Amino acid sequence: AQSVAQPEDQVNVAEGNPLTVKCTYSVSGNPYLFWYVQYPNRGLQFLLKYITGDNLVKGSYGFEAEFNKSQTSFHLKKPSALVSDSALYFCAVRDTTYGQNFVFGPGTRLSVLP
Amino acid sequence: DSGVTQTPKHLITATGQRVTLRCSPRSGDLSVYWYQQSLDQGLQFLIHYYNGEERAKGNILERFSAQQFPDLHSELNLSSLELGDSALYFCASSVTTGVSYNEQFFGPGTRLTVL
Repeated sequence: AQSVAQPEDQVNVAEGNPLTVKCTYSVSGNPYLFWYVQYPNRGLQFLLKYITGDNLVKGSYGFEAEFNKSQTSFHLKKPSALVSDSALYFCAVRDTTYGQNFVFGPGTRLSVLP
Repeated sequence: DSGVTQTPKHLITATGQRVTLRCSPRSGDLSVYWYQQSLDQGLQFLIHYYNGEERAKGNILERFSAQQFPDLHSELNLSSLELGDSALYFCASSVTTGVSYNEQFFGPGTRLTVL
């Protein structure tokens, strides 16, 4: 079965510093990995995805993610954090074995401190 | 704005009641997915419809059902409601199914409170 882990419930970072939100996955077959962000009282917004190819994926709002097959990780990164980046971040893997739905990690709350 | 709409935004009801949540996918999207977000269970997949047909079921209770209509909007019906059904219910849509690299676009959600 596909699964996603986000080992940190909360990540705090100072504005202007680089940020990393961690994600590890377990899949059978090729991993199709996604990052979504959820702002308060809003739906999930797509940030970026890894399908194949370059291990460094660039996405929206200056975010990028690094795919590491040997470590089964897909960490989200940003070189310089903004206070407006404070939100709940979800890593997800596509369930290619059954319904094509997403299997989400538990989420990581990012707080960027001014 | 993702282009996916959900109504109502908020719903407050009592235990034992039945409610219907509505979702309109993005124009052109044939697939609709329903997810439940709760504090203890996180984001859980409920059910997937493609062009009017049920394609997959996840952790959906027997008290819950869904359908997708010819105009592609979808409804999630929750009956015999319990306190534990209080959650945020999301609908998501994508262009097609069977293509694993397509992202899904999420609606703003319906917050259900069962008293």
